[in-house]
Amino acid sequence: KNQVEQSPQSLIILEGKNCTLQCNYTVSPFSNLRWYKQDTGRGPVSLTIMTFSENTKSNGRYTATLDADTKQSSLHITASQLSDSASYICVVTPWNTDKLIFGTGTRLQVFP
Amino acid sequence: EPEVTQTPSHQVTQMGQEVILRCVPISNHLYFYWYRQILGQKVEFLVSFYNNEISEKSEIFDDQFSVERPDGSNFTLKIRSTKLEDSAMYFCASSEGKGNYGYTFGSGTRLTVV
Repeated sequence: KNQVEQSPQSLIILEGKNCTLQCNYTVSPFSNLRWYKQDTGRGPVSLTIMTFSENTKSNGRYTATLDADTKQSSLHITASQLSDSASYICVVTPWNTDKLIFGTGTRLQVFP
Repeated sequence: EPEVTQTPSHQVTQMGQEVILRCVPISNHLYFYWYRQILGQKVEFLVSFYNNEISEKSEIFDDQFSVERPDGSNFTLKIRSTKLEDSAMYFCASSEGKGNYGYTFGSGTRLTVV
């Protein structure tokens, strides 16, 4: 069964610190892996998209990595800001389909 | 930055009633989607739509659900006879193409069935 699991479920960090969120997936084959940021009660906003052949993708303070052999991805946030408080969701697109498969997300809280 | 617009933002309806959720996708996008998120759960795929027809749908998208692009700009999701378990946040999304294209999501419609 195609699954996307994320850890930790929740994370609290202090403003200015870095953090890394993890994603493990069983979707195979897949065409791409995405990371989204979702504020409470809002729609997901795209941070990065990596095809199955890419290893890393950056978007400002966000850097995503992908290891297709171990079926793992991570999202690294540098120099966190209060506005980074949100859920971060790993999403995998199976090969030859439109259907995005969402993970449960990591709830990040950044405190001053 | 172009946006996907959804209306209404909140809708409360009685069980058994029909609801229509509306979306205005980004104007040059060709692929349209509905997803839903039950409170505290993952976002789930409902349906994808291209060239005026459904291209893919999930098991959730049964005969009670339908989608339409009535006028070339709006994209609607209709639930014919709502059930309590239809209560969720419904997100519309659009993209320029399939595969590795970015999806833009709307802010969602919170549907509460009472």
